[in-house]
Amino acid sequence: DQQVKQNSPSLSVQEGRISILNCDYTNSMFDYFLWYKKYPAEGPTFLISISSIKDKNEDGRFTVFLNKSAKHLSLHIVPSQPGDSAVYFCAATPDTGNQFYFGTGTSLTVIP
Amino acid sequence: KAGVTQTPRYLIKTRGQQVTLSCSPISGHRSVSWYQQTPGQGLQFLFEYFSETQRNKGNFPGRFSGRQFSNSRSEMNVSTLELGDSALYLCASSISRGLGETQYFGPGTRLLVL
Repeated sequence: DQQVKQNSPSLSVQEGRISILNCDYTNSMFDYFLWYKKYPAEGPTFLISISSIKDKNEDGRFTVFLNKSAKHLSLHIVPSQPGDSAVYFCAATPDTGNQFYFGTGTSLTVIP
Repeated sequence: KAGVTQTPRYLIKTRGQQVTLSCSPISGHRSVSWYQQTPGQGLQFLFEYFSETQRNKGNFPGRFSGRQFSNSRSEMNVSTLELGDSALYLCASSISRGLGETQYFGPGTRLLVL
């Protein structure tokens, strides 16, 4: 049972525009959420995270929004750059142990 | 500081065989987690080791096992390989197990079972 879902397998955006990647989760025990970026032939790299006590976290061009009531988070990339083209995974973890639940990923293509 | 390393990078096995994958975490990191990535399934959590003890286990059959050594290096073993075990196996390390600890991933071992 997939507890973290990314319903859009792919997304294409023009360079300079905003990219919005979405993620839904089902487990209300999740307390911490992360986004990872993955290039081909490389492992995922950490991008940005957010704790459940916040609804927004910003880091440069990347902003993550969390809507706990809707069990939904999103990653905004503004402005999008061709180097942002990668697969993006969202992940969540409860406040117990160190077990992370990942979504299936969204492949972002930024068109120059 | 060197990143997480995994060996081998690629592996081809046949059904019924067993395989051992290795992971060396970032120096100073004591938690090592293993994930299986298959198309359409994302990253599925296998298990996590901390201080040589398995702390968490995902929903995988007993054919999947692992261990961690005193230097935090970890190995994962899959016995009686099945075609469906073909996947990218990723290892991730973090300093400790606290909430908010970032996991750093290795490049993965791509396993093909024929």
